[in-house]
Amino acid sequence: GQNIDQPTEMTATEGAIVQINCTYQTSGFNGLFWYQQHAGEAPTFLSYNVLDGLEEKGRFSSFLSRSKGYSYLLLKELQMKDSASYLCASMDSNYQLIWGAGTKLIIKP
Amino acid sequence: NAGVTQTPKFRVLKTGQSMTLLCAQDMNHEYMYWYRQDPGMGLRLIHYSVGEGTTAKGEVPDGYNVSRLKKQNFLLGLESAAPSQTSVYFCASRALPEPDEQFFGPGTRLTVL
Repeated sequence: GQNIDQPTEMTATEGAIVQINCTYQTSGFNGLFWYQQHAGEAPTFLSYNVLDGLEEKGRFSSFLSRSKGYSYLLLKELQMKDSASYLCASMDSNYQLIWGAGTKLIIKP
Repeated sequence: NAGVTQTPKFRVLKTGQSMTLLCAQDMNHEYMYWYRQDPGMGLRLIHYSVGEGTTAKGEVPDGYNVSRLKKQNFLLGLESAAPSQTSVYFCASRALPEPDEQFFGPGTRLTVL
């Protein structure tokens, strides 16, 4: 079967670093996506990994290990506006996205 | 560019009523998708289209129909609404057949009583 697992909720402090983990199991694999979704809004694209390793984009970085079926999103220098849900999605062999339920990140001052 | 737009933004239906949700994109994207999002669950694909005049079933197609008569529009229909179809519906579009980001509309919040 196809399955994406990520923590339901995480709490972090403004200015700190947080790592959101995602494990995936899909029929075929064409990459791993991370999206950000603020409450009541649409998801917006953050990152895409298809090769093993770390991709850095400003305060956000995303890591992929294909052999372990594992990815993480790393957020540095947390700001209050980073309070949102972070969605992990794996693209399967048919180029369809299989979505995790999302991790709600709460930032405290 | 408006990107992806959806109408309406909110709707309340009674069980058995029908309605159509409209998605429009002005980015000339070939691929379009309809998802539903429910609390505690990931986005689930209802139907999708890989080009004008084409449609295909996703993970949860029962109770829904779609049409893509024009490249820029993708319509989602509910013929006889049920309370289980209470959800937030998102439309998305994508340019390339290869892995590429999906652009989402703002969503339609539907309640079926």
